[in-house]
Amino acid sequence: QKEVEQDPGPLSVPEGAIVSLNCTYSNSAFQYFMWYRQYSRKGPELLMYTYSSGNKEDGRFTAQVDKSSKYISLFIRDSQPSDSATYLCAMSAGNNNDMRFGAGTRLTVKP
Amino acid sequence: DTGVSQDPRHKITKRGQNVTFRCDPISEHNRLYWYRQTLGQGPEFLTYFQNEAQLEKSRLLSDRFSAERPKGSFSTLEIQRTEQGDSAMYLCASSSITGSAGGNTIYFGEGSWLTVV
Repeated sequence: QKEVEQDPGPLSVPEGAIVSLNCTYSNSAFQYFMWYRQYSRKGPELLMYTYSSGNKEDGRFTAQVDKSSKYISLFIRDSQPSDSATYLCAMSAGNNNDMRFGAGTRLTVKP
Repeated sequence: DTGVSQDPRHKITKRGQNVTFRCDPISEHNRLYWYRQTLGQGPEFLTYFQNEAQLEKSRLLSDRFSAERPKGSFSTLEIQRTEQGDSAMYLCASSSITGSAGGNTIYFGEGSWLTVV
């Protein structure tokens, strides 16, 4: 079992839809949780980070962390074609070399 | 541009040749990371520097791989005697110990694509 599991999709939604992306993990030591967006053949771009459990909102994006269930989510409201990308979850226990990434979910938002 | 810069962006090389990638981190960041990413996978940790000291190396980093950060600024990643299995995107990232989440948020460059033929 991988430390971080993420459904690779692909996920296709119409413009304006609410998108839900999820990851599960097995290492209870993880306490920093990040979401990255990666366009084709580009480096990952940091979208949001959350420390420990709870919700964090930034514009159309909301990140949720449920440490008791070892489950994190990213919600995208009013999705746009420009949101079409691969979304990577990442998490760390706070050490410099222990960040683990999910495989990424490929999202397509159709106009 | 104040982001992480990588060069070259693309490299095609014949099996057995040596290749070197360069990374210039965000100027105030003292931590620098190298990751490798293959299609359909997330980035995998290779090695990490704090200033000029290489503090950690993954077991993914075989003896053919060497990374340096001689003055605590830019870094190079060299792959000797390349193999077809080395074909991947090599990502550099940086962070600051005083940055977001105590330095646990890292910022990536655009990556260097390596194709070994």
